[in-house]
Amino acid sequence: EVQLVESGGGLVQPGRSLRVSCVGTGFTFEEYAMHWVRQAPGKGLEWVSGIGWSSGNIGYADSVKGRFTISRDNAKNSLYLQMNSLRTEDTALYFCTRSVVISGPGQYFNFWGQGTLVTVSS
Amino acid sequence: DIQMTQSPSSLSASVGDRVTIACRASQTISTYLNWYQQKPGKAPKLLIYFASSLQSGVPSRFSGGGSGTDFTLTISGLQAEDFATYFCQQTYSAPLTFGGGTMVEIK
Repeated sequence: EVQLVESGGGLVQPGRSLRVSCVGTGFTFEEYAMHWVRQAPGKGLEWVSGIGWSSGNIGYADSVKGRFTISRDNAKNSLYLQMNSLRTEDTALYFCTRSVVISGPGQYFNFWGQGTLVTVSS
Repeated sequence: DIQMTQSPSSLSASVGDRVTIACRASQTISTYLNWYQQKPGKAPKLLIYFASSLQSGVPSRFSGGGSGTDFTLTISGLQAEDFATYFCQQTYSAPLTFGGGTMVEIK
C-alpha cells in the first residue's frame, strides 16, 4: 500500500526556518517525481515545489522562490522542504504528493499524504 | 503564470442531480488538466487526468471534457458522498496552478 507521511510541522516565528519531511513507502520512491502542495486554513490548493526522480527538474512557485528549497534522499525514501525566511502567509497544511508523468508536460498527483501543519506567528 | 478560473465557486444540488463545474485557463494548455475532489479534513483525491481520463477506482458518474482553455467536470447522478470541494489543476507549464475550487453543497 502506497503511503506518504509528512512530519516536521509546528509553530515558528516570522523570519525563522523550518524543515518538513515526507517518507514514502509501498512503492519504489526513486522512480517518481515528488511535489509539495499547501493549503492555507479555509483556502484552496497551492502548488509549492516539485522535484524529479533524480533531483533534476526542480521548480518553485513564485511565492516561495529564493526562500524554500526542495530536496530528496532516495536511499531514505524521503522528500524534504527547507523553508527559510518564513512569513505569516506561509501558514498552511503542507501536503507531500507523488506524481505520475503521462507524456510531455502531462502529469498528475495520484497519492497524497495527510499533511503537516506549519503555523508562522509571533 | 497560467491562471485557472473555476465557476461557480459554490453550488447547491440534490442527490440525483447532474452537476457541471467549469474551469478556464488563461492560455491554452492542450489537455494537461486534472480534477481533484477534497472532503473536509482530508487530502485531495485524483478523479480525472489528462482532461478526460478517469482515474482507476473512481465511479463512472464522474467525467471530464474540454481542451485548449475550457474544461468541464460533470457528475451524472450526484450521490451523498460527492458533496465536497473540487479543484482543477494545469500541468502544461510551471508553476503548476490550481483553480480556486468549487464547493458542492446539499440543497
